[in-house]
Amino acid sequence: AQSVTQLGSHVSVSEGALVLLRCNYSSSVPPYLFWYVQYPNQGLQLLLKYTSAATLVKGINGFEAEFKKSETSFHLTKPSAHMSDAAEYFCAVSDNQAGTALIFGKGTTLSVSS
Amino acid sequence: DAGITQSPRHKVTETGTPVTLRCHQTENHRYMYWYRQDPGHGLRLIHYSYGVKDTDKGEVSDGYSVSRSKTEDFLLTLESATSSQTSVYFCAISARINTEAFFGQGTRLTVV
Repeated sequence: AQSVTQLGSHVSVSEGALVLLRCNYSSSVPPYLFWYVQYPNQGLQLLLKYTSAATLVKGINGFEAEFKKSETSFHLTKPSAHMSDAAEYFCAVSDNQAGTALIFGKGTTLSVSS
Repeated sequence: DAGITQSPRHKVTETGTPVTLRCHQTENHRYMYWYRQDPGHGLRLIHYSYGVKDTDKGEVSDGYSVSRSKTEDFLLTLESATSSQTSVYFCAISARINTEAFFGQGTRLTVV
């Protein structure tokens, strides 16, 4: 079965600093990978997705992620953090079997200080 | 935003009582899912459906049952609620496998 590991349950950055949220996956087949963001008391919103096209994926709000097969990683980055980026972020992988669901990491809470 | 409505949004219930949460979609998506979110655990899959009357168990299915009699509705039932089922429950939908899922706003359930 596929799984996802998010390194660091809490990441703190200053406004304007680089954001780097780490995600590693385990998979025996080419995966489909996703990043979601959750603001307080809300549902999850898709940030970006990797579906075997370009390895560098651009998403909403200035975020991007790079798929690195050799490292089994799909880290999320943003060059310059904004206060509004403070939220919880989830990496997810698609189990490549018919009729199954996204498998989520445990999440990383991003704090942004001024 | 995807047309997903969860009801109720908040519920407090007593241990041992049955509880049903409803997810309604207007997107005509084939796949529907129930997740629970708990601090330190992320989202864990409870049950999912890949068509009307077609359902299967997820990672944390014990104590839960589901039903899907129509494409648009997916019900999650706690037969006899326990305090360990206090959580935030999310419904999600997707059109196909290996594509993104769209999430509802969640139901906060407290079992006292």
